[in-house]
Amino acid sequence: ETGVTQSPTHLIKTRGQQVTLRCSSQSGHNTVSWYQQALGQGPQFIFQYYREEENGRGNFPPRFSGLQFPNYSSELNVNALELDDSALYLCASSPGQWSSYNEQFFGPGTRLTVL
Amino acid sequence: TQLLEQSPQFLSIQEGENLTVYCNSSSVFSSLQWYRQEPGEGPVLLVTVVTGGEVKKLKRLTFQFGDARKDSSLHITAAQPGDTGLYLCAGRNNNAGNMLTFGGGTRLMVKP
Repeated sequence: ETGVTQSPTHLIKTRGQQVTLRCSSQSGHNTVSWYQQALGQGPQFIFQYYREEENGRGNFPPRFSGLQFPNYSSELNVNALELDDSALYLCASSPGQWSSYNEQFFGPGTRLTVL
Repeated sequence: TQLLEQSPQFLSIQEGENLTVYCNSSSVFSSLQWYRQEPGEGPVLLVTVVTGGEVKKLKRLTFQFGDARKDSSLHITAAQPGDTGLYLCAGRNNNAGNMLTFGGGTRLMVKP
């Protein structure tokens, strides 16, 4: 059974550019959540996708958008990059919609640096 | 906005010592999870607590959910160098959609 994978591992962009990060969910999981983790802080919830529909969103501007594909893999797109977007972006998959005991399985993250 | 505050932020102890990490909020959570994260990796779930006053044990780790479901603690007995890492608490409120709120983390270093 393959775990959650993310690509690329590291990425350097400049202010104003656009970026796409990718996530492959664990086999059998239909729900993907994205988090932003700034250096020295805990992860912050960006949004969640369940069966290709956005299913919850945190306090992030519209330039953060996403997609989920029929195979449940997902993309996070960020437009008009700002310096403060520099962070570790984590993807997590789970086997269904949220319940108290639903475990999320996190990928290793993509480290984005905006110069 | 629901916030979770963890304390201490940093902790450096010798192997064999005991320690407690706290996770506090003014908000009520339906459930609370504890994760451990190592450099270059994503967080790994350690435990989920759901019932107020619940205590769960995982080997040398003891997790407690406050009676009012606003706070939690993680106690490690006889810490080992392998316990070194970032410990994160995360709360979920069933009435607040699908958002998982993380605390800022406690970075633990256990020296041999």
